[in-house]
Amino acid sequence: QQQVKQSPQSLIVQKGGISIINCAYENTAFDYFPWYQQFPGKGPALLIAIRPDVSEKKEGRFTISFNKSAKQFSLHIMDSQPGDSATYFCAASMIPGKLIFGQGTTLQVKP
Amino acid sequence: NAGVTQTPKFQVLKTGQSMTLQCAQDMNHNSMYWYRQDPGMGLRLIYYSASEGTTDKGEVPNGYNVSRLNKREFSLRLESAAPSQTSVYFCASSALAGGRYEQFFGPGTRLTVL
Repeated sequence: QQQVKQSPQSLIVQKGGISIINCAYENTAFDYFPWYQQFPGKGPALLIAIRPDVSEKKEGRFTISFNKSAKQFSLHIMDSQPGDSATYFCAASMIPGKLIFGQGTTLQVKP
Repeated sequence: NAGVTQTPKFQVLKTGQSMTLQCAQDMNHNSMYWYRQDPGMGLRLIYYSASEGTTDKGEVPNGYNVSRLNKREFSLRLESAAPSQTSVYFCASSALAGGRYEQFFGPGTRLTVL
């Protein structure tokens, strides 16, 4: 049973454009929603995270939008750059428990 | 600080062989995890250890065993490797500080079972 569903599987964006990745979760007990970024040959690294008591969190060019009633959250990358090309994973958990990861989105930003 | 380290980086096994993947962290974290990553499947939890001396099954534990040797080290053992265990394996440790919860990942072990 996939508790966190992520889309799209892959995404191609032009430099300077907006990249949007979406996730949906099932378990309403989840209270922590991070996004991880992974470059080829490396382990994932925490990019940004949100708790369900806020609807949006912004860190630089990266923004999480959270819709509690729809059980959905999304990552927006503004002014996408070639250096943002990586695989992105959403996840959900009950702090400080196990993370349940989405399937991943491979982002390619074209120069 | 080295963070989370894993050995080996690459390994090729024949079906039926056994091996142990090693993981160590120097961040004094209580919790440690083993994941496998397969294309289109994301990261799936194999086993985790909430604290020294305890281990629990994750989503895909069959064919694996773990040992939490001490607070720093958490090993993953394949007793009889199968081609279905060809994957990239990641170890992680976690910290909760100031309301921020983060799992720190190692660089991974790429395992091929022939």
